[in-house]
Amino acid sequence: AQSVTQPDIHITVSEGASLELRCNYSYGATPYLFWYVQSPGQGLQLLLKYFSGDTLVQGIKGFEAEFKRSQSSFNLRKPSVHWSDAAEYFCAVGTGNQFYFGTGTSLTVIP
Amino acid sequence: NAGVTQTPKFQVLKTGQSMTLQCAQDMNHEYMSWYRQDPGMGLRLIHYSVGAGITDQGEVPNGYNVSRSTTEDFPLRLLSAAPSQTSVYFCASSYSILQRTYGYTFGSGTRLTVV
Repeated sequence: AQSVTQPDIHITVSEGASLELRCNYSYGATPYLFWYVQSPGQGLQLLLKYFSGDTLVQGIKGFEAEFKRSQSSFNLRKPSVHWSDAAEYFCAVGTGNQFYFGTGTSLTVIP
Repeated sequence: NAGVTQTPKFQVLKTGQSMTLQCAQDMNHEYMSWYRQDPGMGLRLIHYSVGAGITDQGEVPNGYNVSRSTTEDFPLRLLSAAPSQTSVYFCASSYSILQRTYGYTFGSGTRLTVV
């Protein structure tokens, strides 16, 4: 069965520090991978997506993610975090007609 | 404004009551779905539709009904509300049946409390 694991429930970083959010998936074929961000009280917004080709993908708001097939991972990174990045982040795998979401990582940014 | 519109934003129901959560999109998306979001559990798929007249069950369909009479609308009906259905509900749509290629557009959510 397909699954998505985000091992970190909550992460705290200082403003200006680098960020890496982890995502591992379990899927037999080449997956379609996504990262979404959810600000408090809002719906989810697509940050970036990977289908094929270059394994390093760029997204909005200065985020990037790298697909590593050997590790079944799709980690999200940002070189310098801003206070406005505080939110919940969801990794997702698209297969067939369905999406599978991870349980999310909550990011706190301290001044 | 283009996008996915959900109504209402907030709702309180008594146990046993029924209600319909509305979802409409104006992007001519074929694929629409309903998710519920609960703390520590991420988003779980309730029902989805790959086009007008076609619906199917997701991971947690019990207690919910859907229909898709038009491309634009995809209402979610709670038949007899239970406290376990207290959650935040999101409607999401995508351009293509091969929705994985494009990703979702999400509505802003409906926060439902069942007392």
